[in-house]
Amino acid sequence: DTGVSQDPRHKITKRGQNVTFRCDPISEHNRLYWYRQTLGQGPEFLTYFQNEAQLEKSRLLSDRFSAERPKGSFSTLEIQRTEQGDSAMYLCASSLSLRQETQYFGPGTRLLVL
Amino acid sequence: AQSVTQLDSQVPVFEEAPVELRCNYSSSVSVYLFWYVQYPNQGLQLLLKYLSGSTLVESINGFEAEFNKSQTSFHLRKPSVHISDTAEYFCAVSPKIQGAQKLVFGQGTRLTINP
Repeated sequence: DTGVSQDPRHKITKRGQNVTFRCDPISEHNRLYWYRQTLGQGPEFLTYFQNEAQLEKSRLLSDRFSAERPKGSFSTLEIQRTEQGDSAMYLCASSLSLRQETQYFGPGTRLLVL
Repeated sequence: AQSVTQLDSQVPVFEEAPVELRCNYSSSVSVYLFWYVQYPNQGLQLLLKYLSGSTLVESINGFEAEFNKSQTSFHLRKPSVHISDTAEYFCAVSPKIQGAQKLVFGQGTRLTINP
């Protein structure tokens, strides 16, 4: 079991640039979640996939954000026209679609927008 | 909607002392309850969870939490802490409904153990 992996671990970008993050879930997990964590706060839910279907999106996810999970395996989170307020840790988690199965978190991608 | 309040942002204690990290929640529906821990430079790990049954749940490293429905609380306790318990602890809830089992987290409590 290799756990949930995320790439890159750190990203520094200039305001207005686009960035893309990748999450590889635990191989047999069909649910995948994205959360965002800002300094001094707990993680906040962004969006959720069951297999390849994106089933829920938070109001936090503006139209500059898009997430995909082609073929129900890895997922990408893209932020277009980044703003300084996008600076945060972006966390990915995966789970099985059983009754409240534990969500396993990746190490996160830390984004800094200059 | 759900919300979680962790009443202490930082808790300093001496090694081998007892500790309690407080968590209160608000929800219009029944919830599952969780404590996650984040050690320095590591990802979030599940510490313990309450789904149903006995209101007292335990972790493998000596922590326990008790679900109190009337007080809508899920406080985390350990009778004797170690230096290795230094971490940030997050309380979270998830609604008992079909569909996305998204977690709603509190702000976190930083536990610092002094020798």
